[in-house]
Amino acid sequence: DAGVIQSPRHEVTEMGQEVTLRCKPISGHDYLFWYRQTMMRGLELLIYFNNNVPIDDSGMPEDRFSAKMPNASFSTLKIQPSEPRDSAVYFCASSSRETLNTGELFFGEGSRLTVL
Amino acid sequence: DQQVKQNSPSLSVQEGRISILNCDYTNSMFDYFLWYKKYPAEGPTFLISISSIKDKNEDGRFTVFLNKSAKHLSLHIVPSQPGDSAVYFCAASANSYDKIIFGKGTRLHILP
Repeated sequence: DAGVIQSPRHEVTEMGQEVTLRCKPISGHDYLFWYRQTMMRGLELLIYFNNNVPIDDSGMPEDRFSAKMPNASFSTLKIQPSEPRDSAVYFCASSSRETLNTGELFFGEGSRLTVL
Repeated sequence: DQQVKQNSPSLSVQEGRISILNCDYTNSMFDYFLWYKKYPAEGPTFLISISSIKDKNEDGRFTVFLNKSAKHLSLHIVPSQPGDSAVYFCAASANSYDKIIFGKGTRLHILP
C-alpha cells in the first residue's frame, strides 16, 4: 500500500489567496483526520471524518477553514482567504476501526503551507 | 488549553544511555495513551501505547509507564541509539474511537 498521500508537499501563496490541500487515505480506512503542526501549538486536530461524514470539527480555527470528504478515497482542506498565521504543516492521517482501537493513526508526509 | 503537556521542548542524551521523555495530562477522562515519533519532513509514526488499566507496557527498547494518580506518563528508551533522534509526541484519547489529542512534542538528540 502506498500509504496516505498528500498534495501539494509545499505551497507558498500570498495572503488572501485560496489554498486547497488534498489527501488520499489508505484504502479500506474509514477514519480520516486533518491535523496542523505549528511550533506554538504542536499537533492540533482540526477535523475528523468517519465513513466520509464529519464527526468533530471543533478544532477548525474559523470559518475560513473548510474540509470535505466527497468519497472514501479523497478529502480536501480549504482555506479561503488565507492569512500569514495559517502558515504551518498540515497532516492528513487515516485509520481503520481496528487500528484506531490501539490508537494507531497512519500519517501522510504533510503539506507545508507558507502564506506571505 | 493544552490537555496533553510535554514541558521539555528538547532533550540530549548520550548514545547507549537511557532516554526518558515525560508527559502530563489534565483530562481525567483520557483512558488511552500513545507515543508517536517524527523524523524531519515525514509524518509522525506510531511507536507504543498503553491503556489506563495498565501501568507499564514494553516493546523492545521502548517502555511506557503510566501513573494515573499523577496524570503522568513517561517513555523510556534503553539503550538510546542514533536513530532515536527525532521529535516524540505524547497523545491521549478518551475512548478508542474518539479524537486523539497530541502534545507539542519533545525533540530528542542522541549524542555520539
